[in-house]
Amino acid sequence: GAVVSQHPSRVICKSGTSVKIECRSLDFQATTMFWYRQFPKKSLMLMATSNEGSKATYEQGVEKDKFLINHASLTLSTLTVTSAHPEDSSFYICSASDYYNEQFFGPGTRLTVL
Amino acid sequence: GENVEQHPSTLSVQEGDSAVIKCTYSDSASNYFPWYKQELGKRPQLIIDIRSNVGEKKDQRIAVTLNKTAKHFSLHITETQPEDSAVYFCAASKGADSNYQLIWGAGTKLIIKP
Repeated sequence: GAVVSQHPSRVICKSGTSVKIECRSLDFQATTMFWYRQFPKKSLMLMATSNEGSKATYEQGVEKDKFLINHASLTLSTLTVTSAHPEDSSFYICSASDYYNEQFFGPGTRLTVL
Repeated sequence: GENVEQHPSTLSVQEGDSAVIKCTYSDSASNYFPWYKQELGKRPQLIIDIRSNVGEKKDQRIAVTLNKTAKHFSLHITETQPEDSAVYFCAASKGADSNYQLIWGAGTKLIIKP
């Protein structure tokens, strides 16, 4: 299957700082990229959907000013958690979709906000 | 909106036996149904998928069946092995009509007993 990378894999930061997470599709052009948040022992919660060159579409309850998404190209999307707080600690996973609707996931980023 | 229900939440089977996980969906416009396997701390990995123009698909020990009339689809794993232990998620999508978003089931924790 297609390869999606995500960096960093782990990040620990102080409360109030911002954290940027990168998601790249390495061997295909992603028409759409998705950002998820996953709590322990729970399903994936979709945060937002982004298409290259356009603004991201956020799910209800997700603050767009707090979770900034930039889909700069067909292979790169970034998620910036601004002014992070302990409640933002979570496992964040991106995925990229090709023209056939299949979603391929990055390895995830474990964010811990102290 | 679309809703996907997945059962059971936990499934324990003896090694070598078969495992069946079932999902139902609510939106008849859904046309793509993937299954993902997620090991602890890892990314979800696509293991098999089916589209609405097909009733069954098989890949070695894994098979998926789709009943469009009843709006349910199932994952079948035969000759289970210890490495099959993981959490399995079903999902449904309406493709381009929903910007390729996946609606996720809650997950099934599969435990293979030696």
